[in-house]
Amino acid sequence: AQSVSQHNHHVILSEAASLELGCNYSYGGTVNLFWYVQYPGQHLQLLLKYFSGDPLVKGIKGFEAEFIKSKFSFNLRKPSVQWSDTAEYFCAASNAGNNRKLIWGLGTSLAVNP
Amino acid sequence: GAVVSQHPSRVICKSGTSVKIECRSLDFQATTMFWYRQFPKQSLMLMATSNEGSKATYEQGVEKDKFLINHASLTLSTLTVTSAHPEDSSFYICSAPKGGSDTGELFFGEGSRLTVL
Repeated sequence: AQSVSQHNHHVILSEAASLELGCNYSYGGTVNLFWYVQYPGQHLQLLLKYFSGDPLVKGIKGFEAEFIKSKFSFNLRKPSVQWSDTAEYFCAASNAGNNRKLIWGLGTSLAVNP
Repeated sequence: GAVVSQHPSRVICKSGTSVKIECRSLDFQATTMFWYRQFPKQSLMLMATSNEGSKATYEQGVEKDKFLINHASLTLSTLTVTSAHPEDSSFYICSAPKGGSDTGELFFGEGSRLTVL
């Protein structure tokens, strides 16, 4: 069955610490991968996505993610977090060419202490 | 970026009543909108795809008579939870793709928290 798993449910970091949030997927066929972020009181918004090409994807606000096909992973990274990165982060996947049916991870709640 | 708005953001109703949730794309037209449900500590689950001018497409296990979806215009889709019961209490989120239903980037509403007493 198709699934997306996020390893960390709650992460607490101090400002300037490095961040890596794990995401693994189980999918048949070619997969599109996404990271969404939801800041407190705001809508879900796209952070970055991978469809094809360079497996290292850069997104908004200094985030990046690396698609490692052999590990079925798409981990999110940021070298130095800020207090404003406090948010809920969701990994999602879909079959290539069909973003409609996103399969979502449970989300990771990130709290960054100033 | 594009904006999708949901209303109401919170609603409390009595068991047996019906509740309507609206989803609007404010600055783009959406022939398709998606409705999700999120249970506490669980991931978003796609409930149905709302199609402008035709019937909604429901995911397996979602009762179409319970969750009525109407896509009245290119900017508005509504989800009506009919004869709501406490087990329908949940967080409902809509999204709309900009630039194609299969490949366009999804923009999300702020969500609507339904509590059924």
